Amino acid sequence: NAGVMQNPRHLVRRRGQEARLRCSPMKGHSHVYWYRQLPEEGLKFMVYLQKENIIDESGMPKERFSAEFPKEGPSILRIQQVVRGDSAAYFCASSPRRADMNTEAFFGQGTRLTVV
Amino acid sequence: SQQGEEDPQALSIQEGENATMNCSYKTSINNLQWYRQNSGRGLVHLILIRSNEREKHSGRLRVTLDTSKKSSSLLITASRAADTASYFCALSRDDKIIFGKGTRLHILP
Repeated sequence: NAGVMQNPRHLVRRRGQEARLRCSPMKGHSHVYWYRQLPEEGLKFMVYLQKENIIDESGMPKERFSAEFPKEGPSILRIQQVVRGDSAAYFCASSPRRADMNTEAFFGQGTRLTVV
Repeated sequence: SQQGEEDPQALSIQEGENATMNCSYKTSINNLQWYRQNSGRGLVHLILIRSNEREKHSGRLRVTLDTSKKSSSLLITASRAADTASYFCALSRDDKIIFGKGTRLHILP
């Protein structure tokens, strides 16, 4: 059973371009979380999705950021018109149940986005 | 704030000693989890303790939870060089898992 797969591992974008980050959850997991991490800091919650639905996006910036988890295929975190402040590591995690059902989250290795 | 606050922010100890990290929080929780992160890589789950549990063990790890004080501790016994990493407590509440800023643990040879 492959773990959570994120790609690309590294992504360089010029200011104003779009960044697409992909996350394939573990097999059988229908719950996906996205987090952002700046150097030497903790993970900041962005969005929680369950197949085809956004459940909680309270941590997502109101503009330029969007996320989806389609019925088929990976979850996508999309950042439009990137700015230098978007440079960070973005981590995806998946779980088989909701967080309040005493389940651990399994993390991918992250995508390191650099905006130049 | 919904996140936990780890203490200390950084800790350096000699190999073989025990390392203790603490996490305090302010909200009600379903459970509390501890994760490890090596040098910017993905997080690895260490242990989950439910709100009705007081202590759990896993190998060299011991986690306690005091819901009356809203605090948890992670004890790593007989530390090894490979334990050098950042350790995060994560609060599970409703549909989210919220992470603190972590404790950076450095094991000295």
